[in-house]
Amino acid sequence: NAGVTQTPKFQVLKTGQSMTLQCAQDMNHEYMSWYRQDPGMGLRLIHYSVGAGITDQGEVPNGYNVSRSTTEDFPLRLLSAAPSQTSVYFCASSYSPEVSKDEQYFGPGTRLTVT
Amino acid sequence: KQEVTQIPAALSVPEGENLVLNCSFTDSAIYNLQWFRQDPGKGLTSLLLIQSSQREQTSGRLNASLDKSSGRSTLYIAASQPGDSATYLCAAPGLPDSNYQLIWGAGTKLIIKP
Repeated sequence: NAGVTQTPKFQVLKTGQSMTLQCAQDMNHEYMSWYRQDPGMGLRLIHYSVGAGITDQGEVPNGYNVSRSTTEDFPLRLLSAAPSQTSVYFCASSYSPEVSKDEQYFGPGTRLTVT
Repeated sequence: KQEVTQIPAALSVPEGENLVLNCSFTDSAIYNLQWFRQDPGKGLTSLLLIQSSQREQTSGRLNASLDKSSGRSTLYIAASQPGDSATYLCAAPGLPDSNYQLIWGAGTKLIIKP
């Protein structure tokens, strides 16, 4: 199993540009999520999905969109990049939809810089 | 709203020492807490998931405890090694309204000096 994969690993955007961060898992996990990690802060949940076709907002959803058309893929779209979105983005998955009761698996992260 | 705090933010100790990392949470109505490890430039790796009914969970040289009444969890690392150098994060359920969200501490950066 490849586990959780993310692409790209690094990205530089100009303010106002849009892009999609890709996330895929091959473990048949129901739950997938996107976090951002900023210096000195814990991970903050952006969006999550408890199964194909179901998504919901986390703590910091503004400026981001997600969709879950398949069990395997959970892309994160930045609609109009802003410098405040400069961060490291992590995708995670777990077998159980009740993520707080199950081990989570993380991707390697995408380091995004918005100038 | 659940809040999770980890103190200290950084810790440096000589190799071989036993050490304790702390995690505090504000809402004690949790049923488990998770500890993770993050190496520089890498994703997170799950270390231990401790259920409130267990009070303690062990994996190799790691032992995690959970005391709901005091709102604290500790991660004990025995006989520390340079390879233990990493950032350690804890995460608790985002109560009261969700089994689908975790709330994270900012982490403790641990450096083990050879």
